[in-house]
Amino acid sequence: LAKTTQPISMDSYEGQEVNITCSHNNIATNDYITWYQQFPSQGPRFIIQGYKTKVTNEVASLFIPADRKSSTLSLPRVSLSDTAVYYCLVGDAWGGGYQKVTFGIGTKLQVIP
Amino acid sequence: DADVTQTPRNRITKTGKRIMLECSQTKGHDRMYWYRQDPGLGLRLIYYSFDVKDINKGEISDGYSVSRQAQAKFSLSLESAIPNQTALYFCATSDKNSYNEQFFGPGTRLTVL
Repeated sequence: LAKTTQPISMDSYEGQEVNITCSHNNIATNDYITWYQQFPSQGPRFIIQGYKTKVTNEVASLFIPADRKSSTLSLPRVSLSDTAVYYCLVGDAWGGGYQKVTFGIGTKLQVIP
Repeated sequence: DADVTQTPRNRITKTGKRIMLECSQTKGHDRMYWYRQDPGLGLRLIYYSFDVKDINKGEISDGYSVSRQAQAKFSLSLESAIPNQTALYFCATSDKNSYNEQFFGPGTRLTVL
C-alpha cells in the first residue's frame, strides 16, 4: 500500500492559486491518485482523480509527473470557502483486488481574507 | 434528499452501553464502509463490506461489529462502549468499479462518558 506524505498545513490569501503537493514514492503501476476535501464536521468529498499527466475539472487540477512519485493538487483563485482539509490517497481504483485506501491526516488549508 | 444518511447525528452514552449507528444509502452502490475520525489522526477504517454477504475488518475493528442488512443498509455496533470510542463516525459507499471514489454520509458524533 503506497504511503503518502503531504504538508500538515498551508495558508493562502484569497484569490491566489494554491498548490498542495503529495509524495508517494512507492506508488504501484495500477495505483491511481485521488484527492478529497473535508470541511469541518462534514464527511470528505471526492475532488479529483488521475493516473498520469494532468486532469482538470470544475473544482481543481491535478498534475502528475511522468515518474508518478508525486502529485500536485491545484486550486485556482481560492476563496474563504476553500478552507478545508485536503487528503491525498493512492490506491488501485478499479478493482482487481481491494487495497484499503488510507486517508492520513491531510493538509489543512486556511484561506486568509 | 441526501444519498448517504446516518442516524443518529449525535449521541451521548455511558460506558458499557450497547450502541448502534445506522447508515442508509440510495446510490445503489454495492460497497459500504465505516470510518472513525479523531483529531490529529485522520480517518481510520473500521469495517467494510463489498456486498450483502461480505464483511471485512479494517485497521481498527476491535470493540466494533457490523451488520449488512441489505444492499442499502450497513450498521455499526459498539457492544460495550468505552470513552476512547468517543469520535466522529462516518459511513461511506462506493461503486464496485471505483472504490477510490467514496461518497460519505454527514457523520455521527458519539460521546461516551
